[in-house]
Amino acid sequence: AQSVAQPEDQVNVAEGNPLTVKCTYSVSGNPYLFWYVQYPNRGLQFLLKYITGDNLVKGSYGFEAEFNKSQTSFHLKKPSALVSDSALYFCAVRDNEVDTGNQFYFGTGTSLTVIP
Amino acid sequence: EAQVTQNPRYLITVTGKKLTVTCSQNMNHEYMSWYRQDPGLGLRQIYYSMNVEVTDKGDVPEGYKVSRKEKRNFPLILESPSPNQTSLYFCASSSQRGQPNSGNTIYFGEGSWLTVV
Repeated sequence: AQSVAQPEDQVNVAEGNPLTVKCTYSVSGNPYLFWYVQYPNRGLQFLLKYITGDNLVKGSYGFEAEFNKSQTSFHLKKPSALVSDSALYFCAVRDNEVDTGNQFYFGTGTSLTVIP
Repeated sequence: EAQVTQNPRYLITVTGKKLTVTCSQNMNHEYMSWYRQDPGLGLRQIYYSMNVEVTDKGDVPEGYKVSRKEKRNFPLILESPSPNQTSLYFCASSSQRGQPNSGNTIYFGEGSWLTVV
């Protein structure tokens, strides 16, 4: 079965410092990996995805993520955090098996707080 | 503008009073899904639909019903709501075109806050 784990419920970082939000996954076959962000009282917004190709994926708002197959990880990173980056972040994996419907599986979310 | 629209956004209701949360998408997506979000539990899938007239249970279907009579609409029905269904609900949709290697993203509505008293 496909699954995603976000080991940290909460991450605090000072403004201007680099940030990392961790994600590990378990899939059968090739993984399709995603990051979404949720601001207060809003729906989830797409940040970036890895399908194939370069292991370093760049996305919206200066975020990037590195796919590491040997460690089955897809950590979200940003070189310099902004206060406005404070939000809830979800990692997701998409099942690429046609028979099971290309389902999405989400982690439990990591709350990022950037301290001014 | 491509979007998933849910209504109502906020609702307080009483135990046992049937309610429907509507969901509509304008992207001609085949796949639609309902999730509930609860603190510490992340997103849990309630029901999903691969296409018109095709629906399947997700992880937490008890107490919910859905229908998919048209491609753009996927209403969530609570026949007899109970307090444990107090939650934030999200509808989402995604294209199935180009599978199995499509990697298409999933799009979310803005959420519906439901309180059952």
